[in-house]
Amino acid sequence: DAKTTQPPSMDCAEGRAANLPCNHSTISGNEYVYWYRQIHSQGPQYIIHGLKNNETNEMASLIITEDRKSSTLILPHATLRDTAVYYCIVGEAAGNKLTFGGGTRVLVKP
Amino acid sequence: DAGITQSPRHKVTETGTPVTLRCHQTENHRYMYWYRQDPGHGLRLIHYSYGVKDTDKGEVSDGYSVSRSKTEDFLLTLESATSSQTSVYFCAISSDRGGNQPQHFGDGTRLSIL
Repeated sequence: DAKTTQPPSMDCAEGRAANLPCNHSTISGNEYVYWYRQIHSQGPQYIIHGLKNNETNEMASLIITEDRKSSTLILPHATLRDTAVYYCIVGEAAGNKLTFGGGTRVLVKP
Repeated sequence: DAGITQSPRHKVTETGTPVTLRCHQTENHRYMYWYRQDPGHGLRLIHYSYGVKDTDKGEVSDGYSVSRSKTEDFLLTLESATSSQTSVYFCAISSDRGGNQPQHFGDGTRLSIL
């Protein structure tokens, strides 16, 4: 079973920031938070991951609460091409399975 | 993008025939994985490999076998395909530089068993 809870869907205006929440209240000390997205029927695309510190890369920012029980993925300037299903996953990815839950279906509107 | 190539990209075959899907990587990563994705189930792990000739079962391994004779290739075989194995199959890879290395996915193989 997925160890995360995400809203099933959300809309976002093009050019605005998209903030995607994720709850992972049972995360253990050595588990990371990973974010992936899947556009239509393509393979899941890795976005970002973190342990406890906030992280930023060219695609997004990841904000993890101090107690690590929740996190937020921020897409700073959403474009139409960011329309996708976004998955929040906790665990240790290398050498282990990734458990994908239902994700959040994000629709970026003009 | 990670250097992962899945072949074929699409395949239609009949029940009872053997099918082999190939995943080829150019990253020299240690770990390779096969997942299937079906509506209502998300991605589920079939088999994975942690090195040449080292493989293990995932949560939905029945009816599938794998082989990894070279670092760069991970083969998934359906010995006798059934309609329930109609799915989209994704290969993933990850390096062994620490347990937090993310998995990177290929573009998938859409398999239809008639």
